[in-house]
Amino acid sequence: ETGVTQTPRHLVMGMTNKKSLKCEQHLGHNAMYWYKQSAKKPLELMFVYSLEERVENNSVPSRFSPECPNSSHLFLHLHTLQPEDSALYLCASSQGAGGGTGELFFGEGSRLTVL
Amino acid sequence: SQQGEEDPQALSIQEGENATMNCSYKTSINNLQWYRQNSGRGLVHLILIRSNEREKHSGRLRVTLDTSKKSSSLLITASRAADTASYFCATDDVTSGTYKYIFGTGTRLKVLA
Repeated sequence: ETGVTQTPRHLVMGMTNKKSLKCEQHLGHNAMYWYKQSAKKPLELMFVYSLEERVENNSVPSRFSPECPNSSHLFLHLHTLQPEDSALYLCASSQGAGGGTGELFFGEGSRLTVL
Repeated sequence: SQQGEEDPQALSIQEGENATMNCSYKTSINNLQWYRQNSGRGLVHLILIRSNEREKHSGRLRVTLDTSKKSSSLLITASRAADTASYFCATDDVTSGTYKYIFGTGTRLKVLA
C-alpha cells in the first residue's frame, strides 16, 4: 500500500466510449502525475499538477483530458480513444512544491484496453 | 528525447549472485532515482542519489553516480528470487524544473532459485 489508489484497475472500452480513470492520494502531497506505460517503451510522462495547477502537458492528444479538483484527487477523462492508447496508466504523487525529496509514490495502475 | 536508458535490457542470474544495472542520461540533473516494478504493478522507489553524491547504499542496494559520464549503476548484492522485477532509473532535468521525471525503458531482472 503506497498511499496512492487508482480505480478502476482494469478497463475495457470501445473507441466511441467516454470513461474516466481516478487517482486518490492520502499522503498530503502537493504534486500529482499521470504516466503511460506501453510495452517495450519508456514510461511516458503525460501530465503534472502542482498545487492543483497543471504545470506540465507533454504533448498529449486532446482525447486525454486531465482534471485535478483538489490536491488529493486526479482524474484522466478518456474519449474517442484509439487501440494504440491501450496501456497501463500510472498515477503518482510527490511532495514537489517548496522542496521535498522528489520521490514519486505510484499507484498500482489502471490497465486500459481499447477495442 | 529519451532521458534515461538502462543497460542491459534483460538480465538473468542465479540466486545469491550480484546484479548490476546501468543507466545513462543526457542532460544535467539535480538527482537520479531508481525504481522497481513487479509485473503489471506500480513502481516502487528504491533509492535517490543527488548530483553532488557519488555513491549511496541502502541495505543490499548500492548506487553510484558519475555526472561527468552522465551514468549511474545499481548493484543488488546477494540477489533473491523476490528481486525478480523490472528496474528503472529516473532523472529530473535542471532546465525543465523539478516535476519532469523521465524514466528509461528498464532492465528486466530474473533471479533463478
